[in-house]
Amino acid sequence: GIQVEQSPPDLILQEGANSTLRCNFSDSVNNLQWFHQNPWGQLINLFYIPSGTKQNGRLSATTVATERYSLLYISSSQTTDSGVYFCAVEWAISSGSARQLTFGSGTQLTVLP
Amino acid sequence: GAGVSQTPSNKVTEKGKYVELRCDPISGHTALYWYRQSLGQGPEFLIYFQGTGAADDSGLPNDRFFAVRPEGSVSTLKIQRTERGDSAVYLCASSLYLNEQFFGPGTRLTVL
Repeated sequence: GIQVEQSPPDLILQEGANSTLRCNFSDSVNNLQWFHQNPWGQLINLFYIPSGTKQNGRLSATTVATERYSLLYISSSQTTDSGVYFCAVEWAISSGSARQLTFGSGTQLTVLP
Repeated sequence: GAGVSQTPSNKVTEKGKYVELRCDPISGHTALYWYRQSLGQGPEFLIYFQGTGAADDSGLPNDRFFAVRPEGSVSTLKIQRTERGDSAVYLCASSLYLNEQFFGPGTRLTVL
């Protein structure tokens, strides 16, 4: 199956700092999503971004499908940004009925006040 | 509109018991997925429904696990003869056709 690697595994920032989270994947994908898992365990959709660049407020994401990576940028971080950030992909070479997401191990972000 | 809902939010059971976990997808979403998340890891796929039928159940760990979606909306994940290793958070997601997936809050299952 497809491999998804996220880096760094842990990141500690001061409030107001910027950060870049990376997601590498081992094969072609139909779909790529970024999620934020809050302290209560809820997965919050950040971006649906199989290719290109999107921005939403202080967050932006870029996926370069031909080079098999995606980046999540967080600017002017706030304490409420703390939590685990997951990248998840839908493998393009899976069978026609297989639409599951394969998740990376996540980046644990801690933003200090 | 309402998001994906899951009940119960927490379930504690004894080893060997049977449990059912329920998922209500976003209204109108045709696809429904079940995932399982162990502590410190990303969610792992269990089963995917397109309409009423299980299109892919390759992630179910063994035959103690079964899921249904009889009317193409609500789904139930059923676990027979629970084991301590089944303890995890069970997540449900839904999507419109084959697009962006939206997740519910999960059911935390603890098997004593």
